[in-house]
Amino acid sequence: SYVLTQAPSVSVAPRQTARITCGGNIIGTKSVHWYQQRPGQAPVLVVYDSTDRPSGIPERFSGSNSGNTATLTISTVEDGDEADYYCQVWDSSGDFVVFGGGTKLTVL
Amino acid sequence: QLQLQESGPGLVKPSETLSLTCTVSGGSISSYYWSWIRQAPGKGLEWIGYIYYSGNTNYNPSLKSRFTVSLDTSKNHFSLNLTSVTTADTAIYYCAAGTSLLFDYWGQGILVTVSS
Repeated sequence: SYVLTQAPSVSVAPRQTARITCGGNIIGTKSVHWYQQRPGQAPVLVVYDSTDRPSGIPERFSGSNSGNTATLTISTVEDGDEADYYCQVWDSSGDFVVFGGGTKLTVL
Repeated sequence: QLQLQESGPGLVKPSETLSLTCTVSGGSISSYYWSWIRQAPGKGLEWIGYIYYSGNTNYNPSLKSRFTVSLDTSKNHFSLNLTSVTTADTAIYYCAAGTSLLFDYWGQGILVTVSS
């Protein structure tokens, strides 16, 4: 089955840019979705179809996807961005949903 | 705005069957993909399965076939049944929905503990 690989943790200083990556075999051919999960809360969709933002999500959140890596970029990081971030794809070969293992973003 | 709310027991004994319900409001259940996702304590998200409004279902191949997802359009809810639970099934269970297999809408989650 399809596997998505995320680094367990990323740290960034306030007002800097955070980049969270999601690796998968030719993931650039798939639509990647990203979720933010703050402690004790349900996940929230922050980027869908690799590059699009749902309404209400700040422009600071952006996505890219090429080759074997998809990236969620958070610019001008704020304390409130500290959370776990998960990537997700649909594996069309088996009609399955796959999540990455998650990346904990720490704001220093 | 679609809203989802999970309900069910917070405590289940090993070997018993867990039944959870997700009540949908603010929209029709006769559209969307309806999914269940769980998160073991301190762990990541694990997709369990979905049911499409047409009735088609699919499940995570990594999980044993103990899960069943069903839809009740008359009550505007969908459900999860998990048979023969073990302590490894202790988790927060989320219901979620989307127009395709991504999750625009989430319930708040329900913690289910398996313990004797």
